[in-house]
Amino acid sequence: AQSVTQLDSQVPVFEEAPVELRCNYSSSVSVYLFWYVQYPNQGLQLLLKYLSGSTLVKGINGFEAEFNKSQTSFHLRKPSVHISDTAEYFCAVSDRGFQKLVFGTGTRLLVSP
Amino acid sequence: GAVVSQHPSWVICKSGTSVKIECRSLDFQATTMFWYRQFPKQSLMLMATSNEGSKATYEQGVEKDKFLINHASLTLSTLTVTSAHPEDSSFYICSALAGRLGEQFFGPGTRLTVL
Repeated sequence: AQSVTQLDSQVPVFEEAPVELRCNYSSSVSVYLFWYVQYPNQGLQLLLKYLSGSTLVKGINGFEAEFNKSQTSFHLRKPSVHISDTAEYFCAVSDRGFQKLVFGTGTRLLVSP
Repeated sequence: GAVVSQHPSWVICKSGTSVKIECRSLDFQATTMFWYRQFPKQSLMLMATSNEGSKATYEQGVEKDKFLINHASLTLSTLTVTSAHPEDSSFYICSALAGRLGEQFFGPGTRLTVL
């Protein structure tokens, strides 16, 4: 069975500082990995995805993530955060593309001035 | 991107009553929709996969007689929580598959509180 671990429930950071949100997964088969962002009162929005190919994936809003198979990780990074990046971030894994997503518990990113 | 709406955004009901939640794909057709449940500080748990014109596929442990799913058109799926109890109080989220890669687009969620 697949599972996702997001160890950090909350990450506080100052504006313009770099940030890394950690995601580790377990899966016995080929994986597809995703990061979603959820702003207050809005639906989850896809930030980026890894389906195949380059292990460094660039997404929207300046975010990127690196697929590390040996460490079973897919950490999300941004070199300089903005106040508007304050939101809940979910990592997800699937063995069938976008179908049957298994989500982590989420990390709340709090950006302060 | 594709837009998915949910109605209502929040609902309070008495124990023993039934509640219907609608999920609509506003600018695309979706043959497949998903229903998730999210408890506070926990991850989204897939409840069922809804396919237009056929019966929903429920995940293990989800009572299909309690959570009735209907996907009668390519733009609408409904989740009915029958004989709701306080333990059914939760945040219910739907999503719909769209696009060339079959990407999931999520609705904003419905908060259900059962008194």
